Amino acid sequence: EIQLVESGGGSVQPGRSLRLSCTASGFTFDDYAMHWVRQAPGRGLEWVSGISWSSSAVGYADSVKGRFTISRDNARNSLFLQMNSLRHEDTALYYCTKGELGPWNRAFFESWGQGTQVTVSS
Amino acid sequence: QSVLTQPPSASGTPGQRVTISCSGSRSNIGINLVYWYQQLPGTAPKLLISRTDQRPSGVPDRFSGSKSGTSASLAISGLRSGDEADYFCASWDDRLSAVVFGGGTKLTVL
Repeated sequence: EIQLVESGGGSVQPGRSLRLSCTASGFTFDDYAMHWVRQAPGRGLEWVSGISWSSSAVGYADSVKGRFTISRDNARNSLFLQMNSLRHEDTALYYCTKGELGPWNRAFFESWGQGTQVTVSS
Repeated sequence: QSVLTQPPSASGTPGQRVTISCSGSRSNIGINLVYWYQQLPGTAPKLLISRTDQRPSGVPDRFSGSKSGTSASLAISGLRSGDEADYFCASWDDRLSAVVFGGGTKLTVL
């Protein structure tokens, strides 16, 4: 059974940083692209960032470019999202998602974690 | 404002067929695959339609996807109360080099 378990969320002040983690199990982690998708309260889905299986390719939404950094550790079956200079509008539930076997630049999110809540408030 | 445009709401009665549209542009739906996600209340989204018109294992054949030009559609036949959910379309956008989502459609079964 595929499991994605996010952690690291919390409540922070604007301008501060948080690091999200996602631990994966139930599949060969280093074969798949991985992504972060977020959902603000009562709002729709927004893709945040994606990374290829080898970390050779990464991508970001314009709204987080230059502030967030995605990374992965295939030896530990883990995905990370370093979030700096947080803003009120970054408040959302952040989902870790399993992407494609191969190409990372597709809107294919086969499995989802339960999400970790990030609240940015002064 | 979402890059892909969906109607905010849709409704139907049990047994009816409902269609949800997703309008994009040449840089996304026009040249890339479309995916649909179903989000039941209080749960994480679930992949419903993959690669424009393919159903992942376990998804009933009541759900189908299609695409024409720069628009895509999700059709649900034999509507059931358990289909009440938010539905999102998504695609890769070559101009933005990013995944783009529709704003979501809330389906109500009357």
